[in-house]
Amino acid sequence: AQSVTQLDSQVPVFEEAPVELRCNYSSSVSVYLFWYVQYPNQGLQLLLKYLSGSTLVKSINGFEAEFNKSQTSFHLRKPSVHISDTAEYFCAVSEVAGGTSYGKLTFGQGTILTVHP
Amino acid sequence: KAGVTQTPRYLIKTRGQQVTLSCSPISGHRSVSWYQQTPGQGLQFLFEYFSETQRNKGNFPGRFSGRQFSNSRSEMNVSTLELGDSALYLCASSPGQGAFNQPQHFGDGTRLSIL
Repeated sequence: AQSVTQLDSQVPVFEEAPVELRCNYSSSVSVYLFWYVQYPNQGLQLLLKYLSGSTLVKSINGFEAEFNKSQTSFHLRKPSVHISDTAEYFCAVSEVAGGTSYGKLTFGQGTILTVHP
Repeated sequence: KAGVTQTPRYLIKTRGQQVTLSCSPISGHRSVSWYQQTPGQGLQFLFEYFSETQRNKGNFPGRFSGRQFSNSRSEMNVSTLELGDSALYLCASSPGQGAFNQPQHFGDGTRLSIL
């Protein structure tokens, strides 16, 4: 079975400051890793994903995450945040293969990022 | 390209009733997954359908069921509603085949409130 731990439930930061949202996972098999963002009264939007290849993945709006297999981590970072980044962020894992992976993501409990002016 | 569409957006029911939620995936996507989101339990996987067949199922009681039609649209049904079923129900779609079958496109959800 897999599990995901998001180490911070809330992260307040000031605008233009850097931010890191931490995510650790546990799995006995190889996994894919994802970060999703959820704005109030909306569904989840995929921010970025690690499937294979380069361990550093980037989104179009300045976020990046690095897959660290030895530390089983997939932390999300942004060098300079904006007010519009205020949202809840979810880390998720999925098994690479097998019937139990179909459609199934295991999510962390979420981190609420609040960007203050 | 239209996104994942869920209807209705809001529903109010009473205990003991049943409810049906609908999800239309992105055109061409054949896999539909359902998730329940609550403040206490977070996001939990309900089930996944592909080509009208349930391929995967989470740990929910039999009161939660679903189906998928030939056009890939999916419905989720909850019978004998309980207060604890109050949640945001999210649907997600994906192509469903190959290595990239993970749900990556979510709808805005149906918020179900049980009185």
